[in-house]
Amino acid sequence: GAVVSQHPSWVICKSGTSVKIECRSLDFQATTMFWYRQFPKQSLMLMATSNEGSKATYEQGVEKDKFLINHASLTLSTLTVTSAHPEDSSFYICSARKAGNTEAFFGQGTRLTVV
Amino acid sequence: LAKTTQPISMDSYEGQEVNITCSHNNIATNDYITWYQQFPSQGPRFIIQGYKTKVTNEVASLFIPADRKSSTLSLPRVSLSDTAVYYCLALSGGYQKVTFGTGTKLQVIP
Repeated sequence: GAVVSQHPSWVICKSGTSVKIECRSLDFQATTMFWYRQFPKQSLMLMATSNEGSKATYEQGVEKDKFLINHASLTLSTLTVTSAHPEDSSFYICSARKAGNTEAFFGQGTRLTVV
Repeated sequence: LAKTTQPISMDSYEGQEVNITCSHNNIATNDYITWYQQFPSQGPRFIIQGYKTKVTNEVASLFIPADRKSSTLSLPRVSLSDTAVYYCLALSGGYQKVTFGTGTKLQVIP
């Protein structure tokens, strides 16, 4: 149990376009979801935390108007990278937690390349 | 949030036992020590979690002393496929955000 699925696994987009990444908890209800980005040879950097039905809380330095997060249901959160630029190219990972649970479960990640 | 400190990297030969230590001096009462494994271009995978003393599962053991200020992940008889980055986190329930430290890059050598 506790499977988190991300889609797509990889995406290439043109500079200036927007890209949406989906994160689904397949077999549990995720009251909290997290979005991370990871550059090569670096650790995961938390971008934002979202609780179902409320606005996401963004980490310092993360532009909320550029990285739109929607957590519309207990099984789905989406990250939209708006007006993507080459510097947004990175590995994006989502994570989900059940209410009261101490574990966090991660998706397989999405490789975004902006050309 | 309890900050964790780990060695940046470790090397080990195949078949050896590997112990990765993690320091968490300001761990909170309701924090659980949790270890994740990450391969390149994949999301982190849960390995083991414990509160105190010793926890063992099919892939690893976790040792946590009584003061809980540190912990040790033990991987028995590592193979080349265990080459990965291992992250130690202090997690509690609720809506607390989950942040990562630098992790330990384990390189298993044939």
